[in-house]
Amino acid sequence: GNSVTQMEGPVTLSEEAFLTINCTYTATGYPSLFWYVQYPGEGLQLLLKATKADDKGSNKGFEATYRKETTSFHLEKGSVQVSDSAVYFCALILSGSARQLTFGSGTQLTVLP
Amino acid sequence: DARVTQTPRHKVTEMGQEVTMRCQPILGHNTVFWYRQTMMQGLELLAYFRNRAPLDDSGMPKDRFSAEMPDATLATLKIQPSEPRDSAVYFCASGSNFRMGETQYFGPGTRLLVL
Repeated sequence: GNSVTQMEGPVTLSEEAFLTINCTYTATGYPSLFWYVQYPGEGLQLLLKATKADDKGSNKGFEATYRKETTSFHLEKGSVQVSDSAVYFCALILSGSARQLTFGSGTQLTVLP
Repeated sequence: DARVTQTPRHKVTEMGQEVTMRCQPILGHNTVFWYRQTMMQGLELLAYFRNRAPLDDSGMPKDRFSAEMPDATLATLKIQPSEPRDSAVYFCASGSNFRMGETQYFGPGTRLLVL
């Protein structure tokens, strides 16, 4: 089956620190990969996505590269801000009739001033 | 700025009562998803629709949950009778079509507490 594994949180960083949140996946085909972010009390928002191997998704200073050889899609940001504090979800979707997002368990990030 | 809207945002009810949650997908989107989020289970897909037809509701407890799309602008999720274990945040999401890389846009959620 399809699955997404994220590094367990919570992750606590100081402002301006470098962020990496690991994400690996298992899929029976060639998925599209996503990072969603959930701020406190809100729904999930798409942060970035990549649809094929070696694609890099980027948004708001965050980046993730689709690595087929390591089945990974790690999220990175060079300098985090307090406003980045949220829960981050890695997810995949496969082509075909079952257009379901498969989510990882989420990683809580807290950035301290 | 098109958004998915959900009502109510918060609901507190007693066990055994009926609960109806509503979702208005983004205009022009033809796929609608219902998710449930809890601390223990994370995000679970309950049901989804394409062009108002239910495609998969295998994630939903059939005896008490039902999901419908009366028209293209409204999706409903109903629980009858509700139980304390149904307490969760329920999210609706909509998407534009069925091609690779389709993005799902989430609503703000309905926070349900069943006492």
